[in-house]
Amino acid sequence: QKEVEQNSGPLSVPEGAIASLNCTYSDRGSQSFFWYRQYSGKSPELIMFIYSNGDKEDGRFTAQLNKASQYVSLLIRDSQPSDSATYLCAVSTNAGKSTFGDGTTLTVKP
Amino acid sequence: DAGVTQSPTHLIKTRGQQVTLRCSPKSGHDTVSWYQQALGQGPQFIFQYYEEEERQRGNFPDRFSGHQFPNYSSELNVNALLLGDSALYLCASSQGRAEAFFGQGTRLTVV
Repeated sequence: QKEVEQNSGPLSVPEGAIASLNCTYSDRGSQSFFWYRQYSGKSPELIMFIYSNGDKEDGRFTAQLNKASQYVSLLIRDSQPSDSATYLCAVSTNAGKSTFGDGTTLTVKP
Repeated sequence: DAGVTQSPTHLIKTRGQQVTLRCSPKSGHDTVSWYQQALGQGPQFIFQYYEEEERQRGNFPDRFSGHQFPNYSSELNVNALLLGDSALYLCASSQGRAEAFFGQGTRLTVV
């Protein structure tokens, strides 16, 4: 079992819809949770981080964390074609090591 | 603010050679982490440097070594290159254990 699991996709949604990306992790000692967006051939770009259970909203993005279920999600509202990318979930322990999932590829169709 | 900068952007090396990659962290950041990303996979943690010491290390052989300088910049060294070392090498900087920001990466090709 991988330490951080994501649906590989591809996930396809129409423009204007809500895209839902999911991530589960195995280390209960994980303290920090991040979502990165990576366009093809580019480096990952941080879009959201969350440290506490519950929801965190930033513009069209909402991160949700449930430590009891070891589950993190990212919702993208009003999806745009420019949101088409691979979304990486990353989980960090207090020791500082970050573990990434292999990413979910999202395609937003006009 | 220049953000995290890495050099070089692309590199071609021959199997068995040694390579050094460089990273300058974002202003105000004191922690540098290195990752290897193969095509179609997520970044794999190599190691993290803080206060010029290796704080954490992933499952990489000793051929992979690093250094952090007093100005927080960092180097990744890989000895005895293998074809399988071909990948995108990413540097990320942070203030302590806070959220990390990536540089543009170095694409290493071993032939």
